[in-house]
Amino acid sequence: GNSVTQMEGPVTLSEEAFLTINCTYTATGYPSLFWYVQYPGEGLQLLLKATKADDKGSNKGFEATYRKETTSFHLEKGSVQVSDSAVYFCALSPNTGGFKTIFGAGTRLFVKA
Amino acid sequence: DTAVSQTPKYLVTQMGNDKSIKCEQNLGHDTMYWYKQDSKKFLKIMFSYNNKELIINETVPNRFSPKSPDKAHLNLHINSLELGDSAVYFCASSQDELAVSYNEQFFGPGTRLTVL
Repeated sequence: GNSVTQMEGPVTLSEEAFLTINCTYTATGYPSLFWYVQYPGEGLQLLLKATKADDKGSNKGFEATYRKETTSFHLEKGSVQVSDSAVYFCALSPNTGGFKTIFGAGTRLFVKA
Repeated sequence: DTAVSQTPKYLVTQMGNDKSIKCEQNLGHDTMYWYKQDSKKFLKIMFSYNNKELIINETVPNRFSPKSPDKAHLNLHINSLELGDSAVYFCASSQDELAVSYNEQFFGPGTRLTVL
């Protein structure tokens, strides 16, 4: 079946540090991959996406590359800000039937000034 | 212009009561969802409707009953509330996946349910 595994948090960084949040997936076929972000007190919102192998999604300084050979979609940012403190969810959506998006468990990020 | 809205934002109630949460989307999407998020932020899908038809019904107590009067609305009714029902409930919507190559979901702001 389809599944998503992401690194456990919380992750605590100082401002301007480099961020990596690991995400690996198991899926049949070629799913679309997503990172969603949830700021405190809000719903999830899409951060970036990639729909095929070797695609790189990017937004707000965050990047993630769809790696089929390692079944990974790691989230990176070169220099984090306090405002990036949030919970980050890796997710996949099967492209062959079904409407069920599979979400990872979420990784909480704290950025200190 | 709120894309996905939920009411109420906060709901505090006693055990054994019956309550409803409403959700509306103005994005013209065909598919709507209900998720439950626990205190550790784990997100669990409960139900999904596509064009008013139930398509996902995960292992959820039958005290939970979704209702979709039209494709822009998906309400969640909960009977005989229990302490373990305390959580944040999120509504979401997406386009019909047959029309797009990916299935981005748009989430509402959540309803924090506290059962005392």
